[in-house]
Amino acid sequence: AQTVTQSQPEMSVQEAETVTLSCTYDTSENNYYLFWYKQPPSRQMILVIRQEAYKQQNATENRFSVNFQKAAKSFSLKISDSQLGDTAMYFCAFTLFSGTYKYIFGTGTRLKVLA
Amino acid sequence: NAGVTQTPKFRILKIGQSMTLQCAQDMNHNYMYWYRQDPGMGLKLIYYSVGAGITDKGEVPNGYNVSRSTTEDFPLRLELAAPSQTSVYFCASSYTNKGLNQPQHFGDGTRLSIL
Repeated sequence: AQTVTQSQPEMSVQEAETVTLSCTYDTSENNYYLFWYKQPPSRQMILVIRQEAYKQQNATENRFSVNFQKAAKSFSLKISDSQLGDTAMYFCAFTLFSGTYKYIFGTGTRLKVLA
Repeated sequence: NAGVTQTPKFRILKIGQSMTLQCAQDMNHNYMYWYRQDPGMGLKLIYYSVGAGITDKGEVPNGYNVSRSTTEDFPLRLELAAPSQTSVYFCASSYTNKGLNQPQHFGDGTRLSIL
């Protein structure tokens, strides 16, 4: 069975600085996707970034980038130039390429950006 | 761009009452999902559907039922509400085909309290 672990329940960062959120996962499969979702106080689940396991290049979306270490089963999210609007819960999620396509979510990291 | 629409947004039920949480998507997605999110936790899968007429259990299906008579709609039914079902419920959908697993799109959630 697959598992996703986020070991940082809460983090804070000063506005304009950089912060890294950690995620580790466990699977015996070779082909899968990893995602980071953002959940602001409005409760919406917003896709931030995704990574295909077969791609060696780390995904990047504007100020958001990942450090994907397949052998270590690690998938961290780096937020550069943090903004007040980045304050939210961040969830790491995993799904297989094939099969049931069910998502496995971590327990989340609550990020607070300080002015 | 409606996306995934959930109704109602809030509801309070008495123990033993029943209700249906509605979910509709207009993106012609084949997969649909129901999750619950308890305070401070990640999302747990209740039920999912791979297409009209096909449903399957997730991690926490007890106390819930679903149906998928059309591609667009995926209602979640609580037959005998219990306090343990107090949670925020998210519906999601995605387009998924072999080797083409697109990210899930989420509704805004339904906050349900059982008293």
